[in-house]
Amino acid sequence: KNQVEQSPQSLIILEGKNCTLQCNYTVSPFSNLRWYKQDTGRGPVSLTIMTFSENTKSNGRYTATLDADTKQSSLHITASQLSDSASYICVVGSGGGADGLTFGKGTHLIIQP
Amino acid sequence: DGGITQSPKYLFRKEGQNVTLSCEQNLNHDAMYWYRQDPGQGLRLIYYSQIVNDFQKGDIAEGYSVSREKKESFPLTVTSAQKNPTAFYLCASSPMEGAGTQYFGPGTRLLVL
Repeated sequence: KNQVEQSPQSLIILEGKNCTLQCNYTVSPFSNLRWYKQDTGRGPVSLTIMTFSENTKSNGRYTATLDADTKQSSLHITASQLSDSASYICVVGSGGGADGLTFGKGTHLIIQP
Repeated sequence: DGGITQSPKYLFRKEGQNVTLSCEQNLNHDAMYWYRQDPGQGLRLIYYSQIVNDFQKGDIAEGYSVSREKKESFPLTVTSAQKNPTAFYLCASSPMEGAGTQYFGPGTRLLVL
């Protein structure tokens, strides 16, 4: 069964600090890996999408890495801001269409002033 | 102002009642999706559609129905057969089915009276 595990489940850091969120997956075949940011009560917004051949991708202060050999991805947030408080969701696509997307449960990040 | 919209933001359902959630997009995307989000769980696929007048069941289609009469619209009906409908419902679209970034709407929160 395809699975996506995210850690930690929740994280609290001080404004201005860096943090790294983890995503481990057992999805086969692998097609792509996406990170989304979801503010409370809102729809998710795409941060990055990486295919098998990409091992890093940045979007402003967000940098995602992918190790397809170990089936791990991380999302690094630099110089955190209060607006970074949200849930971050890792999604892995297996190339089989819409029903081939496996969603993680998310990491709930709180930035404290 | 392009994007994907959902209405209403909040919806209340009485016992035995069918309710319909609206989803409209003006992004000219072929594919549209409905997901259900429960606390502490990943998004789960209800239905998806690749093209007008065609749709497929996702992982949890029981108790739900959809239609795709227009490219821009993909309404979801929560029927009385869905015994636990309280959840946050998210609609999404993408340029083609299963590929590329999904764009999510703001969501509809359904509550049972």
